Amino acid sequence: QVQLQQWGAGLLKPSETLSLTCVVSGGSFTGYFWTWIRQSPGKGLEWIGEINQGGTTNYNPSLKSRVAMSINTSKNQFSLSLNSVTAADTAIYYCVQKRGMAAAENWFDPWGQGTPVTVSS
Amino acid sequence: SYELTQPPSVSVSPGQTARITCSGDKLGNTFASWYQQKPGQSPLVIIYQNTRRPSGIPERFSGSNSGNTATLTISGTQAMDEADYYCQAWDTSTSYVFGSGTKVTVL
Repeated sequence: QVQLQQWGAGLLKPSETLSLTCVVSGGSFTGYFWTWIRQSPGKGLEWIGEINQGGTTNYNPSLKSRVAMSINTSKNQFSLSLNSVTAADTAIYYCVQKRGMAAAENWFDPWGQGTPVTVSS
Repeated sequence: SYELTQPPSVSVSPGQTARITCSGDKLGNTFASWYQQKPGQSPLVIIYQNTRRPSGIPERFSGSNSGNTATLTISGTQAMDEADYYCQAWDTSTSYVFGSGTKVTVL
């Protein structure tokens, strides 16, 4: 059974860069897109983007200019970087496995435990 | 941008049926998924591809999707079903989008 464990800094100042990493265990790392989703009181659940083992990425258009994702297949890890953060980026960030084939068929399971990130001066 | 609209709250008595709607333009032309989130926990998929239920999810959870509305139905609602529920779909312009969530209260 696939499990996702994530970590990263939880308190940032405005203009700093958010960095989170997620490690996958208990299942195949290849053949899937690995996803970041965040949850904030103001905007609810928001898809940030995804990456696969080949390094192909897709990002939310609203965040694309500030987001970068990377992957380390030797360690079954993938990472999120979000630069120039503001208070609006305060949220719980989740790493998630995307399931299904065609985009319209996709769903998200399982989810990591979540990392609360606060941006405050 | 594409939006999914859910009622903020639904109340139901134990043993009764709860129905949670998710509305979006031509939602029935794509697939909807549903997630349950209890306080302090990560979301958990309970319905995917409109009607499919992952292993381990009780049969009292079911889904449908037609026209502009997807519906999550909880039959014989139990106290443990009290949680927030989110729908999710995909759109060509927005990519993956989630509804704003519905809080289910079991009275």
